[in-house]
Parts: sequence; C-alpha cells; structure tokens
Amino acid sequence: DSGVTQTPKHLITATGQRVTLRCSPRSGDLSVYWYQQSLDQGLQFLIQYYNGEERAKGNILERFSAQQFPDLHSELNLSSLELGDSALYFCASSSRGYGDTQYFGPGTRLTVL
Amino acid sequence: GDSVTQMEGPVTLSEEAFLTINCTYTATGYPSLFWYVQYPGEGLQLLLKATKADDKGSNKGFEATYRKETTSFHLEKGSVQVSDSAVYFCALSDRSSGSARQLTFGSGTQLTVLP
Repeated sequence: DSGVTQTPKHLITATGQRVTLRCSPRSGDLSVYWYQQSLDQGLQFLIQYYNGEERAKGNILERFSAQQFPDLHSELNLSSLELGDSALYFCASSSRGYGDTQYFGPGTRLTVL
Repeated sequence: GDSVTQMEGPVTLSEEAFLTINCTYTATGYPSLFWYVQYPGEGLQLLLKATKADDKGSNKGFEATYRKETTSFHLEKGSVQVSDSAVYFCALSDRSSGSARQLTFGSGTQLTVLP
C-alpha cells in the first residue's frame, strides 16, 4: 500500500459526459501528479500540482482540468468525454516539488461507451 | 525532449532463469532513473532507483546501475520467480526541469515467469 488513495476504482460513462476523479496523497506529501495509461499512448504525464499551485503541464487535453485543494487532495475533471479517453488514470504524490520518488495510487479505470 | 526506450516484450522465462531488461534514455539534463513494476490489476510500485552516475539501485534481488556513458539503466535479476511476473517500466525524472519532476516512462516490458 503506497498510501495514495484514488476514487472511484472504476467508472463507466457515456460519450459527451463529464467525470471527476479524486486523489488523496500520502500524508505530508505536497506534490500531486496525474498520469494517463492507455494501450496506444502508454503512460503519459498530464499535470502536476504543488501545495495548491499548478507546477507543470504535460499532454493534457483542454477538455481536462485539475485542481489541488487546501487539504492537498486533488481532483481531475474530464469533460466532453470521447471513446479515446478510456484509460487508467493514476495519481502519484511526492514530498516536495523536488522530490524524486513518486508513489502511485491504484488508479481509476475509466470506460467511455 | 526526454525519452526512455525499453526492450520490447513480452519476455517469457523459466523459474530461476537470469533476467535482463534493457533501458536507455535521452535527457537534456541530469536525470534520476527509476524502475517501476505493475502487477496485474494494480498501480505502479517503485522497484528501485538511482540518482547519479554509477549508483546501483537494488531491491528484492533486482539491480540496475546508472551508466551515464552509455545512457543506460538495465534491470537484472539473477534468479526470477513466478511471482515476478508483471510489467516493468523504466522511467526518468529530469532534475534540470526545476521543481517540476514529472516522470517520463518507457513503453513497459511484460515479463512472464513459468514454473
């Protein structure tokens, strides 16, 4: 158990809908990262937050957004969903923005029908 | 940009065989290097890491040495077990990117160990 929790574990929805994925980092970790794992794209970095502020953006679509709240949990919002958004979404946390080791949650499997 | 190239899988070995999974990287700065493992239906677990040249990371019988001259971080284990069956990912974190430390992953290598 990494100490990072993600909910829900599975999510099934329809095209055009909007969903919110939630992540709670390890106790004391200030940095949260979101990654997408799909068969065709592999594991890709989406976005990083550090202590409530956006720190880095990767291959995140404009339809996707995220935030980190004062209690340090984070949410990833996916809107206008398409079939191609079906993937595993992982959250990871590390102790600082400079923290090299990231600890991953169990992931949320999103299926868009 | 940064990139990681991993040996293509899948890899199938018999129990107690020697394992090598090749990993090479390209980075603009001076990266930290990682191996993560993903068991079926689970998230990624850190297996080992190395933060500077010639460092050797080790854990659970797995080892990898940070080779700056060959830009490589190959994963090895002397005697694999059925329980090692999983997908292995090589990754880097480029410290020249300031406080943004996103991981860049290789494509993953599926390992199956047969009894």
